[in-house]
Amino acid sequence: DIQMTQSPSSLSASVGDRLTITCRASQSISNYLNWYQQKPGKAPKLLIYVASSLQTGVPSRFSGSGSGTDFTLTISSLQPEDFATYYCQQSYSTPLTFGQGTKVEIK
Amino acid sequence: QVQLVQSGAEVKKPGASVKVSCKASGYSFSGFHMHWVRQAPGQGLEWMGRINPSSGGTDYAQKFQGRVTMTSDTSISTAYMELSRLTSDDTAVYYCARVGGGGTYYPHWGQGMLVSVSS
Repeated sequence: DIQMTQSPSSLSASVGDRLTITCRASQSISNYLNWYQQKPGKAPKLLIYVASSLQTGVPSRFSGSGSGTDFTLTISSLQPEDFATYYCQQSYSTPLTFGQGTKVEIK
Repeated sequence: QVQLVQSGAEVKKPGASVKVSCKASGYSFSGFHMHWVRQAPGQGLEWMGRINPSSGGTDYAQKFQGRVTMTSDTSISTAYMELSRLTSDDTAVYYCARVGGGGTYYPHWGQGMLVSVSS
């Protein structure tokens, strides 16, 4: 199975901050990497697919990059509604696997 | 618009089985794979498997092999996930998720169904 490791596991940030979350795969997954945002009690929401494609309706302050084993999710200017938990997911091979999550909290 | 509506919460005894339904609307049900993902309380997301509603073909995570059965009924646009021999470790929110048009990512999710396993 492909292991996905996110860092950091949690962070505190302020509105307006630039934020970067990293995700590392245990083997190359090309660009088969997706990012989701999840708020408490809600289903995850797709932000980015195939590493860098912005899902329709997602604000442009979200961006993704990377290929192979190393990927990043960047939020250019953190907004109040962005405080949530973020997950990466590899879709290169089954079993599909998720990172452990990164919780973004208000500083 | 695409909608996935799941059945309501259930409480089960250890050793029992649970069958979760996911009714789809707003698109051609047979045209897209449906995946199942679960999330234990306070924990991360865990992929359980997927079904091709058109063929009925399935692919399960090794962890659930022998305990999980995914089916679909195209006549009523509904996917099902049945998990047997439940233990307390199976207490979780179970989500169905439909793949996107261009690959294996999930733009569409059900609202989730809480399954609680307790004696």
